[in-house]
Amino acid sequence: EVQLVETGGGLVQPGRSLKLSCVASGFTFNNYWMSWTRQAPGKGLEWVASITNSGGSTYYPDSVKGRFTISRDNAQNTLYLQMNSLRSEDTATYYCTRGGPHYWGQGVMVTVSS
Amino acid sequence: DVVMTQTPVSLSVSLGGQTSISCRSSQSLVHSDGNTYLYWYLQKPGQSPQLLIYKVSNRFSGVPDRFSGSGSGTDFTLKISRVEPEDLGVYYCYQGTHYPRTFGGGTKLELK
Repeated sequence: EVQLVETGGGLVQPGRSLKLSCVASGFTFNNYWMSWTRQAPGKGLEWVASITNSGGSTYYPDSVKGRFTISRDNAQNTLYLQMNSLRSEDTATYYCTRGGPHYWGQGVMVTVSS
Repeated sequence: DVVMTQTPVSLSVSLGGQTSISCRSSQSLVHSDGNTYLYWYLQKPGQSPQLLIYKVSNRFSGVPDRFSGSGSGTDFTLKISRVEPEDLGVYYCYQGTHYPRTFGGGTKLELK
């Protein structure tokens, strides 16, 4: 069974940093692209970042480019999202996803507020 | 950016009835590899989104055949027949052809 478990969320002040983790199980992690998608409270879905299966290439929308960094540790079956210079508009539930995306984690809440 | 326009924004349906949701993209979603990366998701209240349809018309594992996807180019449709209580929630279309990846605004399916 594919499982994606996100951790690392919480309350953070504007301008500070936070790092999310996603531990994957139930599949061969290094065979798949992975991504992060977020959802602001009561709003729709927004793609945040993607990384190739090797980790050699990464992709971001303009809204987070230069502030967020996606990475992965294939030996540890773990995906990361380093978020710097956080803004109030980054407040959202962040989902770890596999592939298409075909599978989604349960999500982790990030609140950016003073 | 590719804009994904979903209509309607909300939908009221009777149990056992059928309905459809439209998703239109501002650019063709045909990838250079020949595939069309148009997906449909359902987000039930309090849950993560779940994949229903991938690449326009392929039902994901475990998705009942009451759900069907169709379309091409820039115009796509999700049809739901014999609506059941567990079908209620918000439906999203998504394009994985162009960067940045983009979602439709969502269609809320409610009971009449």
